[in-house]
Amino acid sequence: EAGVVQSPRYKIIEKKQPVAFWCNPISGHNTLYWYRQNLGQGPELLIRYENEEAVDDSQLPKDRFSAERLKGVDSTLKIQPAELGDSAVYLCASSLVPGNTIYFGEGSWLTVV
Amino acid sequence: GENVEQHPSTLSVQEGDSAVIKCTYSDSASNYFPWYKQELGKGPQLIIDIRSNVGEKKDQRIAVTLNKTAKHFSLHITETQPEDSAVYFCAASRDFNKFYFGSGTKLNVKP
Repeated sequence: EAGVVQSPRYKIIEKKQPVAFWCNPISGHNTLYWYRQNLGQGPELLIRYENEEAVDDSQLPKDRFSAERLKGVDSTLKIQPAELGDSAVYLCASSLVPGNTIYFGEGSWLTVV
Repeated sequence: GENVEQHPSTLSVQEGDSAVIKCTYSDSASNYFPWYKQELGKGPQLIIDIRSNVGEKKDQRIAVTLNKTAKHFSLHITETQPEDSAVYFCAASRDFNKFYFGSGTKLNVKP
């Protein structure tokens, strides 16, 4: 069974440029999460989807971050414009239903210069 | 919100020795405590978890203990091996939807 797939794995952009990350969760998983992990820290939730509905986006900086999960499967996280402080690993995760084990992807490593 | 503190930040042990990582949490309503292992360049992987109705859980060389009264839980790895070297994160959740992670422990097992 394929795990959570993310792309790109690595991205270097200049500040003020846009960037987008894509996530394909494990097949059949209804719950999808986007986390941000700063260097030397644990992951922090940005947004959680139940199917196509964003049920918790309280930690998403909505002035520059946006996310979507069309058709309740793949998801895209966008940053526009990027700032130096956005350099981090962006982790996508999924679970079958709330309360089940969360499976993480390998992450998208963003460096903003 | 929940605050999870994790200690130590780095831990170095000799192969074969035991390793213990400790976490404390602030929200008494938290009832689910997973532990994740993160290898370099990879995402976190669940290695063991415990729910609040249980005080201890063991899976081969890995065990987790929970003290609800003191609001702390610990990860115990026995007979450590070089492949156990990684960063370990604890987490706490009250509703299985939102997880609050500790800051991580970098474990180095020396052969």
